[in-house]
This record gives sequence, structure tokens and C-alpha cells, in this order.
Amino acid sequence: KNQVEQSPQSLIILEGKNCTLQCNYTVSPFSNLRWYKQDTGRGPVSLTIMTFSENTKSNGRYTATLDADTKQSSLHITASQLSDSASYICVVSATGTYKYIFGTGTRLKVLA
Amino acid sequence: DTAVSQTPKYLVTQMGNDKSIKCEQNLGHDTMYWYKQDSKKFLKIMFSYNNKELIINETVPNRFSPKSPDKAHLNLHINSLELGDSAVYFCASSQGQGGGQPQHFGDGTRLSIL
Repeated sequence: KNQVEQSPQSLIILEGKNCTLQCNYTVSPFSNLRWYKQDTGRGPVSLTIMTFSENTKSNGRYTATLDADTKQSSLHITASQLSDSASYICVVSATGTYKYIFGTGTRLKVLA
Repeated sequence: DTAVSQTPKYLVTQMGNDKSIKCEQNLGHDTMYWYKQDSKKFLKIMFSYNNKELIINETVPNRFSPKSPDKAHLNLHINSLELGDSAVYFCASSQGQGGGQPQHFGDGTRLSIL
């Protein structure tokens, strides 16, 4: 069964600190993996998209990594800001389908 | 300019009523989607249209009927609303399906059934 699991479920950090969010998936055959940021009351916004051949991709202070062998991805946030407080969602799609499988997200709270 | 816009933003109605949610995108994308986000914040796809053609219909009750009059619009009509329909409904669009292009989401329609 195609599944995407994220950890931790929630995380609280102090402003300026770094953090790493995890995503494990069982989607096969793998096509691509996306990380989205969802602010409260808003729709998700794309941060990064990685295909099978890519093992890292950055978007400003956000860096995503992908290990297609172990079926794991991480999202690293550097020098966190208050505006990073949001839910971060990992999404995986399988080759030959039109479907996106969403993880349940990690709720990040950055405190001053 | 809003890329993906949904109306209304909030919808409060009684059980048994029929309601519609509208979605429009001005990005020139050929694929549009409807997602349901439940109270646990889990997003689940309901429908996807590519060039006005239905390509995904995920075991959604037939009380839900999407309609795509053109590539830029995908509306969702819901008949005989039930308590379990209370959720946030998101519209999204992308160029192509499942590939390397990001999905762009609207800000959601918060549906509450009394």
C-alpha cells in the first residue's frame, strides 16, 4: 500500500535554531517527492520537488534531501524564523499514476 | 494577482442542503484538482481533471459532482450535505500530472454543516 509517514508530528524550536523534519514512504514505483509549507488558514505552497536522480535540493533556508534506496527524505530548516511556523507536508507520486500521496504533516512552531 | 481562487472562503449550511464551491486558476495550467482536508489536517485527493476530462475519481460519494466548463475552472457541487462533509476543501492546479511541476493551491473553502 502506498503510504507516506512524517515525523515528528509536531515540533517546537527557538528562533534562530535549525531543525530537520523526516519523511518515509512506501510509494512504488517512485516518481517524485515534494515538500510543501502550509500556513494556518492558507493552502499548501511548494518548497521543493525532487525526482529519483536528485538527492538534494535547496530553496533559501530550506534544504531537502532524498535517499531513494531507503525511501527517506528530510527537510532541513536553517536559522529558523517566526514565519517558519507552519505545517510541512511531504508528498510522493508514483510513476504512471496521476496521484499524489500526502503525509500527515509536521506542525512546526518557532518561538521568539 | 491570485493564481488559484476559490469561492466562497467560508460556507456554513444545514444538513441536507445542496451547495457549490467554485475554483478558477489564471496560471494557464491544464490540470485541476479538488482535495479534502479533514480535522486532522490530512489532505486527500477527491478529483482531478486534465483539459476538462476527469482523470481521478477517488471513491468519493456520488453526492459530490465536479464540473469543469473549461481548463481554467473546476467547480464542486455537493448534494444532500451530511455532517461528515464538514472540512476544508482545497482546489489546486498544475501543468501536467504527476510530473515535476508543482501544484498551486487555493486558500481553501471551510465548509461547516450544522
